[in-house]
Amino acid sequence: QQQVKQSPQSLIVQKGGISIINCAYENTAFDYFPWYQQFPGKGPALLIAIRPDVSEKKEGRFTISFNKSAKQFSLHIMDSQPGDSATYFCAARPPGGTSYGKLTFGQGTILTVHP
Amino acid sequence: DTGVSQNPRHKITKRGQNVTFRCDPISEHNRLYWYRQTLGQGPEFLTYFQNEAQLEKSRLLSDRFSAERPKGSFSTLEIQRTEQGDSAMYLCASSSGATGNQPQHFGDGTRLSIL
Repeated sequence: QQQVKQSPQSLIVQKGGISIINCAYENTAFDYFPWYQQFPGKGPALLIAIRPDVSEKKEGRFTISFNKSAKQFSLHIMDSQPGDSATYFCAARPPGGTSYGKLTFGQGTILTVHP
Repeated sequence: DTGVSQNPRHKITKRGQNVTFRCDPISEHNRLYWYRQTLGQGPEFLTYFQNEAQLEKSRLLSDRFSAERPKGSFSTLEIQRTEQGDSAMYLCASSSGATGNQPQHFGDGTRLSIL
């Protein structure tokens, strides 16, 4: 069962543009939603994360928007740069007391930012 | 930088052989996770350790897979009688805390190729 669905599979953006990646989840028990950035040959690196008690979190050029009623969340990358070209994964996690904090990942979005 | 360290980075082996991977978590992180990532997909949870105790195993972890974390420090993941379908990136992550609510930090993985 695919519990976290991510779209689009790939995204091409011009330098300076806004990149938007969307995720939808099914399990209402999830209470932590991180985004990871992965470069070729590297492991996923935590980018930004949000909990469902807030609707938006911003860190620099990266913003997570969260819609609890729709069970959706998205990553916005403002002023996209060629160095942002990577694969982005959304993930979700139930409370720490259940399932020991294991993450369920989306399928990933390959972002390409053209100079 | 004392991040999560995984060895070897690459492993090529013939079908039917046994392989073992090692993960050294961030110092003093008591939680350690193994994930598997196939090409074009997000990581999938395999197993979890809290200190030296293996507390959860995914259905993905067949009887040919075994993981250990002696003394609650480094961990090893062994695959016996490897099959073509075992070809993947094996990722290790660690986190701190007692409830599983802390961020997980990933290593750069071991890429396994089965000939």
